[in-house]
Amino acid sequence: AQTVTQSQPEMSVQEAETVTLSCTYDTSESDYYLFWYKQPPSRQMILVIRQEAYKQQNATENRFSVNFQKAAKSFSLKISDSQLGDAAMYFCASQGGSEKLVFGKGTKLTVNP
Amino acid sequence: KAGVTQTPRYLIKTRGQQVTLSCSPISGHRSVSWYQQTPGQGLQFLFEYFSETQRNKGNFPGRFSGRQFSNSRSEMNVSTLELGDSALYLCASSSQLVYNEQFFGPGTRLTVL
Repeated sequence: AQTVTQSQPEMSVQEAETVTLSCTYDTSESDYYLFWYKQPPSRQMILVIRQEAYKQQNATENRFSVNFQKAAKSFSLKISDSQLGDAAMYFCASQGGSEKLVFGKGTKLTVNP
Repeated sequence: KAGVTQTPRYLIKTRGQQVTLSCSPISGHRSVSWYQQTPGQGLQFLFEYFSETQRNKGNFPGRFSGRQFSNSRSEMNVSTLELGDSALYLCASSSQLVYNEQFFGPGTRLTVL
C-alpha cells in the first residue's frame, strides 16, 4: 500500500521569497510517479509538477522545482519568487503501477504581501 | 478543449436520500476517477473507471457506486445518505490508465442535513 505524508499543515512565505513544502512517501512499487497538485480557494485542482521515479534529475517547471531523494523517499516542492497567486492548498501524491493516486493531507500555503 | 465538467456544482440532501453526481471528462479521455474531499480525511479515492470498467476501488461502503458510459461520461451514486457523506466530490480524467496527468473538475459540494 502506498502512503503519502505531508508534515506541514500550514506554511507562510513573503512575496518574492522562496518556500519549500515537504513530503515523504512509502510505496512497494519499483516504478512510480510523484506529483504536486495545487488547489486554490476556487477548488479547481491543477497539476504543478510531476517526477518519474526512475529519473534521477529533479523536475522543474518555471518557479517550481522538486528535490527528489529516492532513498529517503522524500519529495519536496520548492517555490521560488513566491507570488500572491501561489496561495493555495498543495497536495503531494504518488501513483505506482496501475494503482490509484494517493494524496497527502495537504499543506496550506499563505503568501504575505 | 473543454475541461472536466461536473454537475451539479452544489447539492443539498437529507439523510436517507440518494444522490447521483455526474462527470464529463475531457474529450478523448477514457479514464475517470472519483475522490471525496473532507477537512478531516483529506482526499480519498473512491473508484476509477477505464473504458466502462471499474479499474480500482477505494475503501468505501457499498452505498457508494459508480459507472461509466460508452462516451466516457461517469456517474457516481450514493444511497442512504449519512451526515458524514457531506463533502466535496471531485472527478478527474486522464487519457491513459496509468502515469498520466489527471485533470480535475471543479467538484460537487454535497451537503447532507
